[in-house]
Amino acid sequence: DGGITQSPKYLFRKEGQNVTLSCEQNLNHDAMYWYRQDPGQGLRLIYYSQIVNDFQKGDIAEGYSVSREKKESFPLTVTSAQKNPTAFYLCASSIPGGSYSNQPQHFGDGTRLSIL
Amino acid sequence: GQQVMQIPQYQHVQEGEDFTTYCNSSTTLSNIQWYKQRPGGHPVFLIQLVKSGEVKKQKRLTFQFGEAKKNSSLHITATQTTDVGTYFCAGWTSDILTGGGNKLTFGTGTQLKVEL
Repeated sequence: DGGITQSPKYLFRKEGQNVTLSCEQNLNHDAMYWYRQDPGQGLRLIYYSQIVNDFQKGDIAEGYSVSREKKESFPLTVTSAQKNPTAFYLCASSIPGGSYSNQPQHFGDGTRLSIL
Repeated sequence: GQQVMQIPQYQHVQEGEDFTTYCNSSTTLSNIQWYKQRPGGHPVFLIQLVKSGEVKKQKRLTFQFGEAKKNSSLHITATQTTDVGTYFCAGWTSDILTGGGNKLTFGTGTQLKVEL
């Protein structure tokens, strides 16, 4: 079945540590996105990528980094510079915008990150 | 930057009552999508509206897109316990000014609880 796989499901970070969240999709989508969701709140865009080897900052990119070396993979690193990383992180993919901006986003099951 | 607000933030209803959530954007949207997130789950695409004044129905759910394409609503008739979750609207915008691609801005969400 086609879909998006996020791992791990739960992740704990120590102070000063960088951690990487994995996101893999086999939907053959060009565009991929990372969102952060805090309890009782909406989704805020961290980074997005319309195509391999290219990505743009979203609304809350500070303290995060990404790479897009392969079409199917879009890992997110939460760096030690992110002082409040505890949140639910969601990865999504879609056919990219422009002529195809009408396409829905498909989400993974998310990763819950907590501080030790 | 663009903001998408939803009201109410929370809504408790008795099973069988109707429910409506309203979505307002600070800018004109090319189209709007609606998603549902069950407790502990990830957002799932429900529908997309593209045309000014468009109305679409899915069984007990009715979606509207405003004439100015800056607001939208979701109405559920005769709620059921299976309707429990958080409903998000999301609008597509083009990040032309920053040289980025198209991105989806999510609303703040309305959390619906249905009591027997």
